[in-house]
Amino acid sequence: AQSVTQLDSHVSVSEGTPVLLRCNYSSSYSPSLFWYVQHPNKGLQLLLKYTSAATLVKGINGFEAEFKKSETSFHLTKPSAHMSDAAEYFCVVRIGGSQGNLIFGKGTKLSVKP
Amino acid sequence: DSGVTQTPKHLITATGQRVTLRCSPRSGDLSVYWYQQSLDQGLQFLIQYYNGEERAKGNILERFSAQQFPDLHSELNLSSLELGDSALYFCASSVEGGYTGELFFGEGSRLTVL
Repeated sequence: AQSVTQLDSHVSVSEGTPVLLRCNYSSSYSPSLFWYVQHPNKGLQLLLKYTSAATLVKGINGFEAEFKKSETSFHLTKPSAHMSDAAEYFCVVRIGGSQGNLIFGKGTKLSVKP
Repeated sequence: DSGVTQTPKHLITATGQRVTLRCSPRSGDLSVYWYQQSLDQGLQFLIQYYNGEERAKGNILERFSAQQFPDLHSELNLSSLELGDSALYFCASSVEGGYTGELFFGEGSRLTVL
């Protein structure tokens, strides 16, 4: 069965330091993977997506993620955290091909200290 | 602003009652999705409609029902409410019926059942 696991429920970094949010997936075939961000009291917004093109995917606000099939991972990174990055981040896998459902991870709450 | 509008933003009601949550998708989007977000279950897919027809069903309880109207707005009806139904309910929309992965989320309707 397809699933997605976010390895950390909470990550805390200092402003200006790198961000790493970890995600592992389980899929019986080539998955489509996404990262969404949810700021407090807001809906979710797509950060970036991987759909079997380049393995390094660039998203909005300086975030990027690398698809590593051998490690079944799709970790989200950013070189330098900003206070406005404080939010909850969801790793998502699409199952069932183009008509498939989206499976959301449990989320990682990112805190950014001044 | 995602362009998806949900009403009401907050709703407090008692157990056993019935409520209706409303969603207006982005202009031109034919698909509407409903999700439930709670602390213990995370983000759970409930149901999807495409151009008025039910397209996919997730973990939606029998006490819950939804529909999409000819003008493409959607309503989620929750009946015989229980304490455990307290959650944030999100509506999302997309242009097509499949999942390219980019869903546009509203800001949610927070339901509190007392």
